[in-house]
Amino acid sequence: DQQVKQNSPSLSVQEGRISILNCDYTNSMFDYFLWYKKYPAEGPTFLISISSIKDKNEDGRFTVFLNKSAKHLSLHIVPSQPGDSAVYFCAASARNSGYALNFGKGTSLLVTP
Amino acid sequence: KAGVTQTPRYLIKTRGQQVTLSCSPISGHRSVSWYQQTPGQGLQFLFEYFSETQRNKGNFPGRFSGRQFSNSRSEMNVSTLELGDSALYLCASSRQTGGNDQYFGPGTRLLVL
Repeated sequence: DQQVKQNSPSLSVQEGRISILNCDYTNSMFDYFLWYKKYPAEGPTFLISISSIKDKNEDGRFTVFLNKSAKHLSLHIVPSQPGDSAVYFCAASARNSGYALNFGKGTSLLVTP
Repeated sequence: KAGVTQTPRYLIKTRGQQVTLSCSPISGHRSVSWYQQTPGQGLQFLFEYFSETQRNKGNFPGRFSGRQFSNSRSEMNVSTLELGDSALYLCASSRQTGGNDQYFGPGTRLLVL
């Protein structure tokens, strides 16, 4: 069963605007959350992460928000750039399962000029 | 420094055959994790090796196995291939077991006919 869900398979945003990618999870034991970016023919690249003790983490244009009560996290990209066009995977891990990554199925982001 | 390398990049096999995939981690990384990516199931954790020992295992049948060598290189073997094993197989390395700093290779694309 899918413990991490990304319900939007795709998203299209204009350059310069905000991109918001959403992710929901079901396992309350998850205590670490990550976002990966994947270009075709390449492996996923780590983007940003957040521990369950925080509700926000920022790194340049990328901010991840965590709402533990709703079991929801989101990735904000501001401003969006055409080079951000890629598939974004949300992942979660739990200490009690050895921090194996549980991935969502990804959201394909297209940033148009 | 050099990234994670995987060989071969592409592979075609027939049902019933067996296959071995190889992963060389980033220098100094002692943990190697394997993932399977399919369109239907997304990215799923197979297993993790650290210091030549399997530390964690996902929910895959025993046909999927792996090992790690003293130089941290890892191999993954799938026996009695099935059509459903067609997927992109990704490996990721990190410094420590359960490390959240997982760096992915480009993957091996396996097609089972």
